[in-house]
Formats: sequence, structure tokens, C-alpha cells
Amino acid sequence: DQQVKQNSPSLSVQEGRISILNCDYTNSMFDYFLWYKKYPAEGPTFLISISSIKDKNEDGRFTVFLNKSAKHLSLHIVPSQPGDSAVYFCAASEGDDKIIFGKGTRLHILP
Amino acid sequence: GAVVSQHPSWVICKSGTSVKIECRSLDFQATTMFWYRQFPKQSLMLMATSNEGSKATYEQGVEKDKFLINHASLTLSTLTVTSAHPEDSSFYICSAAHGTLMNIQYFGAGTRLSVL
Repeated sequence: DQQVKQNSPSLSVQEGRISILNCDYTNSMFDYFLWYKKYPAEGPTFLISISSIKDKNEDGRFTVFLNKSAKHLSLHIVPSQPGDSAVYFCAASEGDDKIIFGKGTRLHILP
Repeated sequence: GAVVSQHPSWVICKSGTSVKIECRSLDFQATTMFWYRQFPKQSLMLMATSNEGSKATYEQGVEKDKFLINHASLTLSTLTVTSAHPEDSSFYICSAAHGTLMNIQYFGAGTRLSVL
């Protein structure tokens, strides 16, 4: 059973517009959430995270929103840039337990 | 940011041979290293967690005699796929964490293993 779900395998967004990547989870005990970005032939790189005590965390063009009641989080990228084209992994953990990753969403930024 | 180097990036081997993959943290001491496996269009699946100087903790379903992990120093962990078979062909990625920031892991570039 997948505890972290990214239901959109791919997403295309026009350059300059907002990209919204969604993630749902099933384990209500998760208390820390992360987004990783992955380019082809490279390992994932940490992008942004949020603790369950918050509902929003912002870092430059990247904002993560957490809705605990809906067990849903989203990553907003605005404005989207060509270099944002990559696979984005949502991940979650409970305390010091292992991080569970979603399957990823491939984001294409269109010129 | 912290840099993790993984080598080799791609390896092809014959069935029955063993393959060693190295994971090094270049500019920090990694108290904990993780080994993941990724199948096409699938999540990163944690295989094992290793702490320097102690035995690795394997996830359920991962054969520890098949996937040997050594974490001899704070900057190096190795994964050896013993007696590799075609079904072991996959993308293997290591990551490292340091200090109390265990949730933030720094990943290597991954190793694509193809077993013929």
C-alpha cells in the first residue's frame, strides 16, 4: 500500500506561469514532509520541507502548502522557469523513521 | 550544499558475478548512509540504513546476504551486489545524512546496474 501518492505522473506548464505539484499521504502520523527534485542521470536534490506544525513554508520561488486534515501537500513554483523541468518527488517521514517517497511527477516547462 | 559521490555511474556485468558500488560524502561526515533502489516509474525504495561502524539495518524483504553493505568510515559506504542476476538490474542510489538533520538526505547520482 502506497503511503505517499503522487497521482499525476507528468505535468506541463508554460514558462512564467505557476506550477502546482500535488501529493497525498495516508499515514496521519507523518510529521515531516519534503520535496526533492531530480534531473536525469542525477540523484535527487533536496528542495524544500515542511513540518506538520506548519501549513506553509516558502523559499524563493518555491512554496509548500500542507493541509493535514486532507492529508495533502502541494508544491508551488512561481514563476516557472525552463530549469525547473525535472522529476519532483514528494516524501514524508514519521519522527526518525525512514523517509517514504512518492513515485514522482515529471514537470515540463514549455517555452 | 553537501556533496555525495557515487561510483560507478553505470555497470554491466555477467550473471553470477559480484558488483561493488561506492558512496562517498565529499565535504561532510555522514553519520548515516542510506541505500535505495528504483525501478522504472517507481518510488525510491529504501533497501537499508547504515551507521558508521555498525551493521546495516535492512528493510523487510531485502536479502542482507545478497546486498552486502559496509560503512567503514564516516565518509564511505559500499553496497556489494553478490552473485548478481538479471532481476537485480536496477538503479541504485545512495544518500547520506549528518548530524541531527536526518530527514534531509543528500543523494549520490546513482548507479545503473545491468546484469546480463
